Amino acid sequence: EPEVTQTPSHQVTQMGQEVILRCVPISNHLYFYWYRQILGQKVEFLVSFYNNEISEKSEIFDDQFSVERPDGSNFTLKIRSTKLEDSAMYFCASSEDLGNNQPQHFGDGTRLSIL
Amino acid sequence: AQKVTQAQTEISVVEKEDVTLDCVYETRDTTYYLFWYKQPPSGELVFLIRRNSFDEQNEISGRYSWNFQKSTSSFNFTITASQVVDSAVYFCALSEDNNAGNMLTFGGGTRLMVKP
Repeated sequence: EPEVTQTPSHQVTQMGQEVILRCVPISNHLYFYWYRQILGQKVEFLVSFYNNEISEKSEIFDDQFSVERPDGSNFTLKIRSTKLEDSAMYFCASSEDLGNNQPQHFGDGTRLSIL
Repeated sequence: AQKVTQAQTEISVVEKEDVTLDCVYETRDTTYYLFWYKQPPSGELVFLIRRNSFDEQNEISGRYSWNFQKSTSSFNFTITASQVVDSAVYFCALSEDNNAGNMLTFGGGTRLMVKP
């Protein structure tokens, strides 16, 4: 069964450094998403992306965050200047269809640790 | 604004017991979608089910069943004859039809521990 793949599985970064998290969505999917989960807490929406632009973003997704689909397969999340509170599990997801809120299929996540 | 509440933060059962995980949601939309995801100890999020607001028929898939009741804004999940492998955090989530980005709003999750 096709999967969403995320790399790296664990990223350790010094505070203030830039970090890029990478995702390869399922190949025929059209919508892409990033979510985060701070340890022990709920999963929170960050951003959705369709047709090479952001469809929706949450309050968490401030100017420090950006997303990009640099080629036909990768979908990246960049945090420009990381803060301690950015430490979390970051999940990429993708869904198939434009409408009817099709199920989002998640990758295994990247654990981001900010020191 | 949409909201999902999972009042049970943690449930512990013995193997073979039945267990029901509660989910209550709030939305102003008449068209919306409800989901359940499983997060095993390994950390990934596994899609279990999607329901739209016009389909109140209950669903059964093996040992899993879901009870959707619009009158009480609930979408509860029952595991019959639980097994140790069912131990995980289970998240209920809501997506409104009118939001352009298909944003999922998750509940806080219920940690289910199934003991042998």
